[in-house]
Amino acid sequence: NAGVTQTPKFQVLKTGQSMTLQCAQDMNHEYMSWYRQDPGMGLRLIHYSVGAGITDQGEVPNGYNVSRSTTEDFPLRLLSAAPSQTSVYFCASSSPGQPQHFGDGTRLSIL
Amino acid sequence: DQQVKQNSPSLSVQEGRISILNCDYTNSMFDYFLWYKKYPAEGPTFLISISSIKDKNEDGRFTVFLNKSAKHLSLHIVPSQPGDSAVYFCAPLSGTYKYIFGTGTRLKVLA
Repeated sequence: NAGVTQTPKFQVLKTGQSMTLQCAQDMNHEYMSWYRQDPGMGLRLIHYSVGAGITDQGEVPNGYNVSRSTTEDFPLRLLSAAPSQTSVYFCASSSPGQPQHFGDGTRLSIL
Repeated sequence: DQQVKQNSPSLSVQEGRISILNCDYTNSMFDYFLWYKKYPAEGPTFLISISSIKDKNEDGRFTVFLNKSAKHLSLHIVPSQPGDSAVYFCAPLSGTYKYIFGTGTRLKVLA
C-alpha cells in the first residue's frame, strides 16, 4: 500500500519557469490538499479538493493552480516560479473527518 | 490572524521525564483536534486526536488534554524517549475536511 506518493522529491527551478508537482493516493480518499511548509510558519493550505472535479482555494493560493480529474491524482502547478515559492510542499489525503495521510514532500528551490 | 498558535517553537526534555506541548486556538467552532508528529525529510504522521465532547484522550505514552473554555489543548508524553524528538503540530478540524495547522513545536529529548 503506497499511501500518498509525491514526485519529484527535489527540484530546482529558475525564476519564471513553470512546473507541476505530482501527488497520487491509492486509498480512495475524497479529500486531497496541498500545503507548503516554511520556517516558523507551520503548514499553510494552498488548495484543496473534496472530490473529482471540485477544487477550492486555501490560505495561500496565489501563484498556484490545481485540478482534480480523478480521485487518485491532485497535481499542483506553479505557473511562473518566484523565489518566494521556495519551500517544502506536502500533499495529503483523507476521508471525511479522518486524519490526513501525508506524502514525504517535495523540496523546491527557486533561483 | 492565526487561528492556531503553538507559542513554544522548541522544547528540550531529559529522557524519562514528561514533555508537555501546548496549543491555543481562537475559533470556538472547532470540535475535533489532532496532533501530528514530523521527522526531518518525512511527511507529518497522525499521532493522537480528541473530540470536543471529551477533555482527555490517552494512547500509551501520549495523552491529549482539551480545555474548551480556555481554547487550549496540550499533549503530554511520558516517559519521553529520544525517538520522540520531532516537530509536533496541533491541527483542529475546520468543517468536514480542512485542518488548520499550528506553527509547530520542535521537541528534543536528551539521552
